Amino acid sequence: DGGITQSPKYLFRKEGQNVTLSCEQNLNHDAMYWYRQDPGQGLRLIYYSQIVNDFQKGDIAEGYSVSREKKESFPLTVTSAQKNPTAFYLCASSITGQNIQYFGAGTRLSVL
Amino acid sequence: GIQVEQSPPDLILQEGANSTLRCNFSDSVNNLQWFHQNPWGQLINLFYIPSGTKQNGRLSATTVATERYSLLYISSSQTTDSGVYFCAVGGAETSGSRLTFGEGTQLTVNP
Repeated sequence: DGGITQSPKYLFRKEGQNVTLSCEQNLNHDAMYWYRQDPGQGLRLIYYSQIVNDFQKGDIAEGYSVSREKKESFPLTVTSAQKNPTAFYLCASSITGQNIQYFGAGTRLSVL
Repeated sequence: GIQVEQSPPDLILQEGANSTLRCNFSDSVNNLQWFHQNPWGQLINLFYIPSGTKQNGRLSATTVATERYSLLYISSSQTTDSGVYFCAVGGAETSGSRLTFGEGTQLTVNP
């Protein structure tokens, strides 16, 4: 099946720990995105990548890092510098030029 | 950056009723999408509609780009329509690839 797979569904972070959220797509999409959603709010853009080996900061990039070594994969690391990491994280992808974004099922991150 | 406002923030309907959700945006856009977020958090694309009118079953959407608003119509609502509806826009300066989301409309359809 074609789609966007995020893992894990639930993740717990200890104080001072870095954690990595996985996002894989087999849609052959060029662009990939990471969003954060807090309860009762809309989505905010963390990072996005329009091509392999290139990515740009979104509106709330502080405390996060990404890499784009393969077209299919866009992992997000929540670093210890992110002081309020508890949120729902959503990954999306799109074909450059079409701009229609498709989303994965999300990862819920909590702090222990 | 571009601002997106959705109204109403909350809406409660009886099954079978019709509703209109509104999305206002502060600048010209070349990308506008409507999404439905189900209770499990999954976002489903409803419409890609930077301008004009589209229909898909009981749902339809209209964007008037010159007046900077979009409307989502839900007719004969069902309990499965419950969830949060988001409008997201992309401005011309970003070639439309970056989306800015509104805060959403929480829809509850009661049987």
